[in-house]
Amino acid sequence: GIQVEQSPPDLILQEGANSTLRCNFSDSVNNLQWFHQNPWGQLINLFYIPSGTKQNGRLSATTVATERYSLLYISSSQTTDSGVYFCAVGERRTGFQKLVFGTGTRLLVSP
Amino acid sequence: GAGVSQSPSNKVTEKGKDVELRCDPISGHTALYWYRQSLGQGLEFLIYFQGNSAPDKSGLPSDRFSAERTGGSVSTLTIQRTQQEDSAVYLCASSLGSAYTEAFFGQGTRLTVV
Repeated sequence: GIQVEQSPPDLILQEGANSTLRCNFSDSVNNLQWFHQNPWGQLINLFYIPSGTKQNGRLSATTVATERYSLLYISSSQTTDSGVYFCAVGERRTGFQKLVFGTGTRLLVSP
Repeated sequence: GAGVSQSPSNKVTEKGKDVELRCDPISGHTALYWYRQSLGQGLEFLIYFQGNSAPDKSGLPSDRFSAERTGGSVSTLTIQRTQQEDSAVYLCASSLGSAYTEAFFGQGTRLTVV
């Protein structure tokens, strides 16, 4: 099946800093999502981005499907950005419908 | 409802007992997924339903686990003869069901087997 790798696995930032999280995947995808899991365990949808670039406030994401990677940018980080960021892609052999998750990037933003 | 709803939020059960976890997907969503997340770990796929098609059960860890979806809506995940290693957060998600749509997750059920 498809492999999804995220980097870095852990990231510590000072409040106000910028960061880039990366998601690499091993096969063609037709859907890709970024999620933020908050400290209470809730998975929050950030972006549905199978290709191209999207922005939402301080967050933006870019997926280059032909090169099999996606990037999540966080600018001017805040302590509320802390948590785990997951990338998930649809697996081709299931018609791209089964979501396969990466192992996540654990972000800690300190005041 | 407006979002995916799971119940109960928390469940503590004794080893060897059976448990049922419930998921109410977003209205109109034909695809429904169950995932499991052990403490500090990533999300492990369990099972996927799409409309009236046979479910993809490839992620169920043992025959103690089963799931059904009645009327194409509500789903129940059943774990028989629970073991301590079954302790985890069980997450349900739904989507419109085509290959190009966004999945939304419920708040999860935290299962603790003592």
